[in-house]
Amino acid sequence: RKEVEQDPGPFNVPEGATVAFNCTYSNSASQSFFWYRQDCRKEPKLLMSVYSSGNEDGRFTAQLNRASQYISLLIRDSKLSDSATYLCVVNVPNSGYALNFGKGTSLLVTP
Amino acid sequence: GAVVSQHPSWVICKSGTSVKIECRSLDFQATTMFWYRQFPKQSLMLMATSNEGSKATYEQGVEKDKFLINHASLTLSTLTVTSAHPEDSSFYICSAGIYGEQYFGPGTRLTVT
Repeated sequence: RKEVEQDPGPFNVPEGATVAFNCTYSNSASQSFFWYRQDCRKEPKLLMSVYSSGNEDGRFTAQLNRASQYISLLIRDSKLSDSATYLCVVNVPNSGYALNFGKGTSLLVTP
Repeated sequence: GAVVSQHPSWVICKSGTSVKIECRSLDFQATTMFWYRQFPKQSLMLMATSNEGSKATYEQGVEKDKFLINHASLTLSTLTVTSAHPEDSSFYICSAGIYGEQYFGPGTRLTVT
């Protein structure tokens, strides 16, 4: 079983749509959770950290359910510039800053 | 924010040659850096943890004699792909952590012909 699993998509949505991505992780000892965005042939960039109480950053809302080891990302009012691959990322316990990455969910926002 | 650079950004080499990739933290010191590899349409996979002044820690399945890591200073880690083969062609990305966040270099695209 992979450490972090995501639906690879692709998700094709029109501008203005709301889209949700899901992710599950296998190591219950993980303590830090993130969503990263990766554009084609570029390095991943941190979109937002995910906190137990859920958190929002503008059009982006992240949720964490530790009991079911489930993480989600909701994007409201999608923009063309949101087109990218979204990576669910979980820390490697007892490793400092090492991270386990999901395979990513591809999003294409169309006019 | 913290900046991590990598050099070169891309490299093409012949099979059997060695390639060195540099990872630098430009405005902070990093006692630990990480090396990842990403094949097309795959996730980033942690290869090894680079520790300043000591040996790197390699993930299972990563050959330490093939992927030589040197972390001689607090701002520089190098990854040398020795005797590269076409199957080593990949996107290599380094990262360093500070203040609870991970910062990634821009990556190095290696193509072995």
